[in-house]
Amino acid sequence: EVQLVESGGGLVQPGGSLRLSCAASGFTFTNYWMTWVRQAPGKGLEWVANIKQEGSEKYYVESVKGRFTISRDNAKNSLYLQMNSLRAEDTAVYFCARGYSDWYRWGQGTLVTVSS
Amino acid sequence: QSALTQPASVSGSLGQSITISCTGSSSDIGGSNYVSWYQQNPGKAPQLMIYDVSNRPSGISNRFSGSKSGNTASLTISGLRAEDEADYYCASYRNSRTFVFGTGSKVTVL
Repeated sequence: EVQLVESGGGLVQPGGSLRLSCAASGFTFTNYWMTWVRQAPGKGLEWVANIKQEGSEKYYVESVKGRFTISRDNAKNSLYLQMNSLRAEDTAVYFCARGYSDWYRWGQGTLVTVSS
Repeated sequence: QSALTQPASVSGSLGQSITISCTGSSSDIGGSNYVSWYQQNPGKAPQLMIYDVSNRPSGISNRFSGSKSGNTASLTISGLRAEDEADYYCASYRNSRTFVFGTGSKVTVL
């Protein structure tokens, strides 16, 4: 069974850092691009970043460039999102999803709250 | 980076058909066949309904169909059922190897 399980969310002060993880199982992780999508409370979905199978290509939404870093460890079947210089507007549920241009498999999401 | 434009709400009666529009530009919908649609129920992860403009993943009812004309994509739900009541989002490739979602549409079944 395909599973994506996010972890690492929590409450962080503005300017702080947090590292999200997404543990993948039930499929060949190295065959897929992976993507992070977020959703602020009561708001719509926002594409955040993606990473190619071997990690050689990474792309970000403009609002997180220079602050967030997407990475993966194929040996551990894991996806990461390092989030630095966090702002209140980064408060959201963060989902990891499998795929490049469409996302058939999603995790359940992890909540990140940026507040003092 | 502006989101694609969707109507905030769309409603229809049981058994009827509804269409949700998703309007972008030549930089996204108009220039790409990477258009997808997602259904999201409260507190849940989104579910892929349509990919590559008009393709249905395995297990998705043929009551859901997608199309595109110019800078606007559309999702049509035919034979509306109570369980179709949810939020729906479009998504598209945008230039510079990024992607963008629509603003979302709440579907209400009357």
